Amino acid sequence: SAVISQKPSRDICQRGTSLTIQCQVDSQVTMMFWYRQQPGQSLTLIATANQGSEATYESGFVIDKFPISRPNLTFSTLTVSNMSPEDSSIYLCSGGTGATEAFFGQGTRLTVV
Amino acid sequence: GEDVEQSLFLSVREGDSSVINCTYTDSSSTYLYWYKQEPGAGLQLLTYIFSNMDMKQDQRLTVLLNKKDKHLSLRIADTQTGDSAIYFCAESKSGGGADGLTFGKGTHLIIQP
Repeated sequence: SAVISQKPSRDICQRGTSLTIQCQVDSQVTMMFWYRQQPGQSLTLIATANQGSEATYESGFVIDKFPISRPNLTFSTLTVSNMSPEDSSIYLCSGGTGATEAFFGQGTRLTVV
Repeated sequence: GEDVEQSLFLSVREGDSSVINCTYTDSSSTYLYWYKQEPGAGLQLLTYIFSNMDMKQDQRLTVLLNKKDKHLSLRIADTQTGDSAIYFCAESKSGGGADGLTFGKGTHLIIQP
């Protein structure tokens, strides 16, 4: 299994600002994933982060709004840029040491005011 | 329509069995998962099943898969108050650690004393 830590666990941000969320895994993982969970909703995949290449974004998500870094096999960041209240969500990162299992961090609860 | 569907709520008495159902539409789904989310927490991987299996048991948890009908269920035996949570069904073609997951909206399991 993999233990995934996210920072910050929660934040309240002003609209128009940006927040960078960090995700640290206790072992090397090939792929890391970023998900969004809007209030009362399910999880939606934002993008896949692979070391050494640009992240791959799902339909409806763009790099300018959600830039992602993946400098090594244990770390990734997601930035939520130029935030609006609609960006208020829980953001979760995920990864697995193998292809089958995917483990999640505890999430970052973002409120934009 | 939705790729993965679940009913939103299930209420059971403590000590009874809980059966949470899920249907999916993608016939190429190879891996099917159940995650548990407690209030304010991230997602905990409970179990998963490969599409070439029809049953998997792990202590109090039993997963049944009807591939023909694209129906997945999670049975929790002897339901306890600690089982109160949201249960998410998810699917993946190549594995949650390889190409990410598509989630259902989650089933709120409510335990009555």
